Amino acid sequence: QKEVEQNSGPLSVPEGAIASLNCTYSDRGSQSFFWYRQYSGKSPELIMFIYSNGDKEDGRFTAQLNKASQYVSLLIRDSQPSDSATYLCAVFTSGGSYIPTFGRGTSLIVHP
Amino acid sequence: DTAVSQTPKYLVTQMGNDKSIKCEQNLGHDTMYWYKQDSKKFLKIMFSYNNKELIINETVPNRFSPKSPDKAHLNLHINSLELGDSAVYFCASSQFRGGDYGYTFGSGTRLTVV
Repeated sequence: QKEVEQNSGPLSVPEGAIASLNCTYSDRGSQSFFWYRQYSGKSPELIMFIYSNGDKEDGRFTAQLNKASQYVSLLIRDSQPSDSATYLCAVFTSGGSYIPTFGRGTSLIVHP
Repeated sequence: DTAVSQTPKYLVTQMGNDKSIKCEQNLGHDTMYWYKQDSKKFLKIMFSYNNKELIINETVPNRFSPKSPDKAHLNLHINSLELGDSAVYFCASSQFRGGDYGYTFGSGTRLTVV
C-alpha cells in the first residue's frame, strides 16, 4: 500500500513567519512530487512540483525533497493570511502507474 | 476563460436516481480525470481517459460510468445513487498522461444524496 502522510494540523503561524509543511511517503521508488493548495470550498490548485533532491524555489514558496529520508516539504516565506488553506501533497510512484497518491492535506492558518 | 469547467456545481438528489456531471477543458490537454473528495478531504482517483481511451479505472462501483466523446470532454454518469455517493467530484486534466506537470482541476460538483 503506497502511503502519503501529512499532519492534518491545523498549523497556525503569525503573519510574516515561515510556514513549514511536511509530507512523507512510503514508496522508495517515488519519482515526482506535487504541492497543491485548496481553499475551503474550492478546487485544488497546483503550486509546485519537484523531481530532484534539493530545493526548488518559486517566489515565496520553496519545495524541498529528500528521497533518502522519503520526505518532501513546502516552505512558505513571509506568510500572509491569504495563504490560509489546506495544502495537499501528491506523489507519483514508480512502476508505470499513472495514479498519484494524495495525502489528506495540512490545514494552514496564518493569523494577523 | 475557465480552463476546466464542470456542471452542475451543486447537485441534490434522492437515493435511487440517475444523474450526470459534465466536464470540459479548453487547455488542449490529452488526459482527463475524475476524482472524488470525501468529507475528510481525501482525494481519490476514479477514472482517467487519454485521448478518449480509458486508461485508469479504479475500484469504483459499476454504477459509475464515464464517457469521453472527445479529448476535451469527460462526463460522469451515476446510476442508482446511494447515500455514500455524497461527496465533491472533481474533474481534472493534464498535459501528459500521468500528469507529469500536475493537474488542472475543475471547480467541483458537490453531490448530496438524500
